[in-house]
Amino acid sequence: DIQMTQFPSSLSASVGDRVIITCRASQEISENLVWFQQKPGKAPKSLIYGASSLQSGVSSKFSGSGSGTDFTLTISSLQPEDFATYYCQQYNSYPYTFGQGTKLEIK
Amino acid sequence: EVQLVQSGAEVKKPGESLKISCKGSGYRFSEYWLGWVRQMPGKGLEWMGIIYPGDSDTRYSPSFQGRVTMSVDKSITTAFLQWSSLKASDTAIYYCARQSVYYYGNTWHPTFDPWGQGTQVIVSS
Repeated sequence: DIQMTQFPSSLSASVGDRVIITCRASQEISENLVWFQQKPGKAPKSLIYGASSLQSGVSSKFSGSGSGTDFTLTISSLQPEDFATYYCQQYNSYPYTFGQGTKLEIK
Repeated sequence: EVQLVQSGAEVKKPGESLKISCKGSGYRFSEYWLGWVRQMPGKGLEWMGIIYPGDSDTRYSPSFQGRVTMSVDKSITTAFLQWSSLKASDTAIYYCARQSVYYYGNTWHPTFDPWGQGTQVIVSS
């Protein structure tokens, strides 16, 4: 199985900040990566697929980059509704696997 | 509107069987893979597997192979996840999600979108 490692596991930031979350795959996955956002008590929501393509309806404050084994999710100008847990997931090969998540908290 | 509606919360005892459901609407149910994701209390997301309703082709994560069974009933556009003998460690929220496919960068990208609301399963003696 491909292991996905996210860092940091948790992150404190203030409203208006820009944050970067990193995801690393244990082997090359091209750009076969999706980012999800999950708020407490809710189902996850897809933000970005193909490592950098924004899902329809998702704010352009979210952006993704990377290829191969190293990926980033950048969130600009944090607003209260952005504080959530973020997961990466690879779909290069079965079984598809998630990172362990990054919890973004308000400082 | 594409929608997935899951069955309600369940409380079971160890050793009991269970079958939870996920009803799809607003799209051609047979033409999209549908997946299951586990979230144990306070933990992250785990990819369990996916099933293609058109022919019931299934891909299980090795972590869940033999522990759960995925199935579908196309006539009622519903997918199922079942256990024959529950354990306390099966306590979790289980989500279903449609595997939508998007074309980008000269290739197709499958992603879970949308998701069901989740089914809470509690296994306790």
